[in-house]
Amino acid sequence: AQSVTQLDSHVSVSEGTPVLLRCNYSSSYSPSLFWYVQHPNKGLQLLLKYTSAATLVKGINGFEAEFKKSETSFHLTKPSAHMSDAAEYFCVVSEGDNFNKFYFGSGTKLNVKP
Amino acid sequence: EPEVTQTPSHQVTQMGQEVILRCVPISNHLYFYWYRQILGQKVEFLVSFYNNEISEKSEIFDDQFSVERPDGSNFTLKIRSTKLEDSAMYFCASWNSRRNYGYTFGSGTRLTVV
Repeated sequence: AQSVTQLDSHVSVSEGTPVLLRCNYSSSYSPSLFWYVQHPNKGLQLLLKYTSAATLVKGINGFEAEFKKSETSFHLTKPSAHMSDAAEYFCVVSEGDNFNKFYFGSGTKLNVKP
Repeated sequence: EPEVTQTPSHQVTQMGQEVILRCVPISNHLYFYWYRQILGQKVEFLVSFYNNEISEKSEIFDDQFSVERPDGSNFTLKIRSTKLEDSAMYFCASWNSRRNYGYTFGSGTRLTVV
């Protein structure tokens, strides 16, 4: 069975400081992993994805994530937060190649202080 | 960039009424999905649809729910007799079957049952 745990429901950082949003997963198969972002009143936008290629994945807007199989983690990072990064972030897992169903984490709200 | 379009953005309906949520997936995508997010809860899978039939559905997707692709462009979710607990944000998504891409989600329809 697949599941995703996002360890922090809220994260607050100052503009210009690093961002770390944590995600752990469990999967019976080699998983595909995604991070989506949702800005207020907007849809879910794909930030980046891991699908068994390079373990360090670069996404849009300077975000990246590293797949660590030994730790079953897929944490999202960004070296320097921008005010426009304030949003809710979702870690998502699917069963390997089976994109028939995605499993969502509970989301992390990122607040960026000036 | 191609988008998934959902209408309406907000729908208020009385308990027991039928409601149809509409989605226009990306034109060359072949797989279609509905997810929902009850306020304060995780985004949950409802149903996936491919080749004009349901390929997988969750236990939430009972006889009160149905999906249809009535023409070449629309993908609809119908709730026959709405209940208070159907109040949620409903997201439509589509996928082009290429594994190195994730889904593209719409911006959601907020359904409020009163």
